Amino acid sequence: NAGVMQNPRHLVRRRGQEARLRCSPMKGHSHVYWYRQLPEEGLKFMVYLQKENIIDESGMPKERFSAEFPKEGPSILRIQQVVRGDSAAYFCASSPPGDGTGYTFGSGTRLTVV
Amino acid sequence: KQEVTQIPAALSVPEGENLVLNCSFTDSAIYNLQWFRQDPGKGLTSLLLIQSSQREQTSGRLNASLDKSSGRSTLYIAASQPGDSATYLCAVSTGGGNKLTFGTGTQLKVEL
Repeated sequence: NAGVMQNPRHLVRRRGQEARLRCSPMKGHSHVYWYRQLPEEGLKFMVYLQKENIIDESGMPKERFSAEFPKEGPSILRIQQVVRGDSAAYFCASSPPGDGTGYTFGSGTRLTVV
Repeated sequence: KQEVTQIPAALSVPEGENLVLNCSFTDSAIYNLQWFRQDPGKGLTSLLLIQSSQREQTSGRLNASLDKSSGRSTLYIAASQPGDSATYLCAVSTGGGNKLTFGTGTQLKVEL
C-alpha cells in the first residue's frame, strides 16, 4: 500500500497561470481532504470530498479555487490565475468510510508563485 | 468557531529530558484529538489519536492525555532523543470527525 500519493512534490507557476495538484488516496479510502499550510501559519482545512461529491468546502476561497474527486482517477485541486499569496504547501489526506479515524496525509505539494 | 493553541511555540532541550507539549481548544464538543509530527519539508505522521470518550493514549515513549471539559491535551515525551526533533501538531476534529482544526505547532529541538 503506497499511502497517499501527491504530485507534483514541487510546482512553480507564474502569476496568472493555473496550478493543478493531484492526490491519489490510500487503497480502500473513499474520503479525501485538502489542507493548506501558509508560511508561518498552521494547516487550514480547505475541502472534504467523497467520490463525485463535495461534502464540505467551507475552507475554500470563494474564487479561483476548485476541487474534484471523480469516479475514476485522483482528486484534483485546481487554482486558476494564481497569485503570490497562493504560495504554500498543499496537503491531501484520505480516510476510510466512517468517522475520520485513520487519517493519512500525503507528503504535500509545495506551490511557489513567481 | 474552534480555535486550537499550542504552547510553547518552540522548545529546545538536551537529550534525555522528559518534556510536555501543551494544546488547548476553545470548543469542547470534539469528536477526537490527534497529535501529529511534521518533519521539515515532509508530510504529517499521526502519532496518537484520542477519542472524545478516552482520557489518554500511549505509544512507546509517547503519552497523550485529554481533558475535554477543560479543553486541554498534553503530549508527554519520555527520554527525548535527537530523532524526536520535529514540529508537533495538535488537531481536533468536529462534525463527525472528518474535519480537523490544527494548532500552529510546537517546534522541538533535542540537542546532543
